[in-house]
Amino acid sequence: EVQLVETGGGLIQPGGSLRLSCAASGFIVSGNYMSWVRQAPGKGLEWVSVIYTGGSTYLADSVKGRFTISRDNSKNMVYLQMNSLRAEDTAVYYCTRVLGGIFDYWGQGTLVTVSS
Amino acid sequence: QLVLTQSPSASASLGASVKLTCTLSSGHSSYAIAWYQQQPEKGPRYLMKLDSEGSHTKGDGIPDRFSGSSSGAERYLTISSLQSEDEADYYCQTWVTGTWVFGGGTKLTVL
Repeated sequence: EVQLVETGGGLIQPGGSLRLSCAASGFIVSGNYMSWVRQAPGKGLEWVSVIYTGGSTYLADSVKGRFTISRDNSKNMVYLQMNSLRAEDTAVYYCTRVLGGIFDYWGQGTLVTVSS
Repeated sequence: QLVLTQSPSASASLGASVKLTCTLSSGHSSYAIAWYQQQPEKGPRYLMKLDSEGSHTKGDGIPDRFSGSSSGAERYLTISSLQSEDEADYYCQTWVTGTWVFGGGTKLTVL
């Protein structure tokens, strides 16, 4: 059974850093594209970042230069390093598996609140 | 620019059918999309992938009441025999290399 479990969210001050983790089970992360999608309170879904099987990464313009996606094949985990956090980064962050361009499995999400 | 447009809201009666629309921006009418359902206070769930010909592949456990179709730049999600648990937000999504795009979502109310 495919499962994705995100951890690492919390309250952080503007300008701070946070690392989100996503533990995957039921499949091999290195054999799949993996992505982060976020949802600000009361708003729609926004794609944030993706890591390809070959290791290439892409970021949404809104987080470029501040966020980094990575993975640890030995632990079957995916990470999102978030630096220089802003109030507008406040959202629930979902870890997803990408298959054929679509997000076929989602975690339960972890809430990041950027506030002083 | 790749953009998906959805109506903000829709409503239909219990037991009836409803057809939600997702419109691809100009020049992108051949793109496939995906539909997602997000029930209140829950994470999104993948419903189906839908191509420009109307062929769709559903996610695990998605009931037959959910179907998809296409016409030009429009992609449709039809839900028949509406149930109370179908009251949710519905998002469409597409992609090009290195970028994924979501529509703004449609809030479906079951009357």
